[in-house]
Amino acid sequence: QKEVEQNSGPLSVPEGAIASLNCTYSDRGSQSFFWYRQYSGKSPELIMSIYSNGDKEDGRFTAQLNKASQYVSLLIRDSQPSDSATYLCAVTFNTNAGKSTFGDGTTLTVKP
Amino acid sequence: GAVVSQHPSRVICKSGTSVKIECRSLDFQATTMFWYRQFPKQSLMLMATSNEGSKATYEQGVEKDKFLINHASLTLSTLTVTSAHPEDSSFYICSGSGTSGGRGTDTQYFGPGTRLTVL
Repeated sequence: QKEVEQNSGPLSVPEGAIASLNCTYSDRGSQSFFWYRQYSGKSPELIMSIYSNGDKEDGRFTAQLNKASQYVSLLIRDSQPSDSATYLCAVTFNTNAGKSTFGDGTTLTVKP
Repeated sequence: GAVVSQHPSRVICKSGTSVKIECRSLDFQATTMFWYRQFPKQSLMLMATSNEGSKATYEQGVEKDKFLINHASLTLSTLTVTSAHPEDSSFYICSGSGTSGGRGTDTQYFGPGTRLTVL
């Protein structure tokens, strides 16, 4: 079992819809959670970080964390074709300062 | 957000030569730097973790004598691919974590990557 799991997709949503991306992790001691976006042929870029249970909103993006269920999600409201990319979930475990474990990513396609 | 640069962005070399890739944190001190490799349509693969002034810690299966990592300062890390072969052709990406404007130490900021092609 992988330490960080994501649905590989592809996930396809129409423009203007809400895209929901999910991630589960295995280590209950995890402290920090990140979502990165990676366009094809480019390096990952940080979208959001979340550290506490609940929701965190930044523009059209909302990260949701539930430590009891070991689950973190990313919602993208009013999806745009420019949101089409691979989204990587990353989790930092307590004992590894700065070292995150990445999921394999979910590919999102937003259709005009 | 914090900025990480990488140089060169693209390199083509002949088999058997060595290639050095530089990774710099421009506006923060990267106490830890990471080197990843990514093949087309595949996941990020962590190669090694380095802390400034210390020897790098390599992931299982990564040859430390082939992939030399130096983290000489809080803003510079280098990866040297020695005696490169066609199977080393890949997208190499560095990232750094540290402190910047109050951000936590465990956020990784990625460089733009270096595409290596070995002929």
